[in-house]
Amino acid sequence: TQLLEQSPQFLSIQEGENLTVYCNSSSVFSSLQWYRQEPGEGPVLLVTVVTGGEVKKLKRLTFQFGDARKDSSLHITAAQPGDTGLYLCAGVSQAGTALIFGKGTTLSVSS
Amino acid sequence: GAVVSQHPSRVICKSGTSVKIECRSLDFQATTMFWYRQFPKQSLMLMATSNEGSKATYEQGVEKDKFLINHASLTLSTLTVTSAHPEDSSFYICSARDPVSGRNEKLFFGSGTQLSVL
Repeated sequence: TQLLEQSPQFLSIQEGENLTVYCNSSSVFSSLQWYRQEPGEGPVLLVTVVTGGEVKKLKRLTFQFGDARKDSSLHITAAQPGDTGLYLCAGVSQAGTALIFGKGTTLSVSS
Repeated sequence: GAVVSQHPSRVICKSGTSVKIECRSLDFQATTMFWYRQFPKQSLMLMATSNEGSKATYEQGVEKDKFLINHASLTLSTLTVTSAHPEDSSFYICSARDPVSGRNEKLFFGSGTQLSVL
């Protein structure tokens, strides 16, 4: 079973603070994805990282894929209340056939 | 992008009844669809892979007779929760693989179905 460990599980911060969410595995992934999910809705894809060491930016969000393609991080700069939600990392391992998800990070940003 | 429609969005049923959830690909053909289950503030857990015209592949620990999956056409997969019990209450989400790339990393998700069993 390919596992994606995500940390922290819960994060509560004030508006304007920075934060980083980590996604780690002992397995190599051909790519990793980050999703954001609102309550009662399906997950929405934020980004896909493919190349080891790759860094992608999406406004205040910075995503990084580890050199060995076993881990990834999501960094949010100057968090806003609108960033509140469940952040999920996901990937298909080299031996896998379906997309598996990390346990998720519930982020709460208060003003 | 491709659209996946899931119905119903919310269902409340009595214990012992069966509930059917539909997942449709609206503007593309989906040979493969995936069914996930999600408990509050937890991640999505893959339940099964649904393949058009063949039997679904279930993940370890998922009861095949409890969660019946039918993928009879290229645009429709259904998940039937049979003899539902309160512990089956959960958020069920379907997804379809991108028809262009055919890659499992690229999925389009339905909006989910919140099942509450009384």
